[in-house]
Amino acid sequence: RKEVEQDPGPFNVPEGATVAFNCTYSNSASQSFFWYRQDCRKEPKLLMSVYSSGNEDGRFTAQLNRASQYISLLIRDSKLSDSATYLCVVSGGSNYKLTFGKGTLLTVNP
Amino acid sequence: EPEVTQTPSHQVTQMGQEVILRCVPISNHLYFYWYRQILGQKVEFLVSFYNNEISEKSEIFDDQFSVERPDGSNFTLKIRSTKLEDSAMYFCASNPDGNSPLHFGNGTRLTVT
Repeated sequence: RKEVEQDPGPFNVPEGATVAFNCTYSNSASQSFFWYRQDCRKEPKLLMSVYSSGNEDGRFTAQLNRASQYISLLIRDSKLSDSATYLCVVSGGSNYKLTFGKGTLLTVNP
Repeated sequence: EPEVTQTPSHQVTQMGQEVILRCVPISNHLYFYWYRQILGQKVEFLVSFYNNEISEKSEIFDDQFSVERPDGSNFTLKIRSTKLEDSAMYFCASNPDGNSPLHFGNGTRLTVT
């Protein structure tokens, strides 16, 4: 299994749609989990941390299933400005090193 | 909001030349990182740095690479003899405690010709 594996995408959705991203990770010792977004040729920017109990921030909901080593991100009522690549990011055995998934490109269409 | 700043934004160099990429991490952060992203590929960890020494490095970070914190604010990545395959976007990042989310700089695009 790859260290961090995401849906390959790309996803094309209309404005207002709900879209879900899935991610699996291989290192059961991982402690920290994040979703970042990356606009074309820009730096990754933190979208949200992911907690065991699940967490929500406005239209965004993240879930973590440690037993299945699975992370998800749900975007409700998608906006044009949500168009970006979504990166699943997991700490390695050491918290100094983050491992990135390859990302899933989302395009929200008018 | 405090930012990680990187210079230059774009560096073009010839194969075999040395380059130094510069970063100013957020001032109260203690952990510093370099990542790179080859065009169309994923973001890859290069090295982490804490308390004036390397904490962890990847297999990419071979003897051609070095990092330094020459003063209280700058954090540099040196590539001694660049190769074509070093062409990538290089991101500097920092965080206060090694566990928090990373704050990334806006990157240096390195083109080796």
